Amino acid sequence: AQSVTQPDIHITVSEGASLELRCNYSYGATPYLFWYVQSPGQGLQLLLKYFSGDTLVQGIKGFEAEFKRSQSSFNLRKPSVHWSDAAEYFCAVGAKEYGNKLVFGAGTILRVKS
Amino acid sequence: EAQVTQNPRYLITVTGKKLTVTCSQNMNHEYMSWYRQDPGLGLRQIYYSMNVEVTDKGDVPEGYKVSRKEKRNFPLILESPSPNQTSLYFCASSLTDREGYTFGSGTRLTVV
Repeated sequence: AQSVTQPDIHITVSEGASLELRCNYSYGATPYLFWYVQSPGQGLQLLLKYFSGDTLVQGIKGFEAEFKRSQSSFNLRKPSVHWSDAAEYFCAVGAKEYGNKLVFGAGTILRVKS
Repeated sequence: EAQVTQNPRYLITVTGKKLTVTCSQNMNHEYMSWYRQDPGLGLRQIYYSMNVEVTDKGDVPEGYKVSRKEKRNFPLILESPSPNQTSLYFCASSLTDREGYTFGSGTRLTVV
């Protein structure tokens, strides 16, 4: 079965600093990987996705993520964080074999200090 | 506007009183899904559907029912709600299994 681990429950970064949120997944075949963001009181918004091809994917709001099969990781990065990036971030994994059964990690709460 | 619409946004109910949370999408998506979100647990899938009349259990289906009689609608039914079903519920839809879900705004359910 698929599983997703986000090791960091909370992360605090200074505005303008770089950001990396970690995501590790457990799945045997080629997964579909996603990052979502949830602002307080809001639904989830898709930031980016990976299912094949170039392992470095670009998303909205200046985010990018890199798929590393050898490490079973799909870490999210941003070179310079803005205060408006404060939110909760979720990594999710799916697979063709499981239809659209998407499994989410527990989330990482990002705080941005000025 | 392309969207997933859930109703109601907030609901307080009593134990055992049947309720339905509606979900509708206007994007002609094949896939639809229900999730519940609880602090520290992320989102857990309750049920999903890959097409009309095709539904399957997710990770936490106990106490819930769904139906998919039309492509656009995917209601979530709690026949006899209990306090442990107090949660934030999200409906979501997608065109294919690789596109990622579009989420509704959520329904905050409290069962007392």
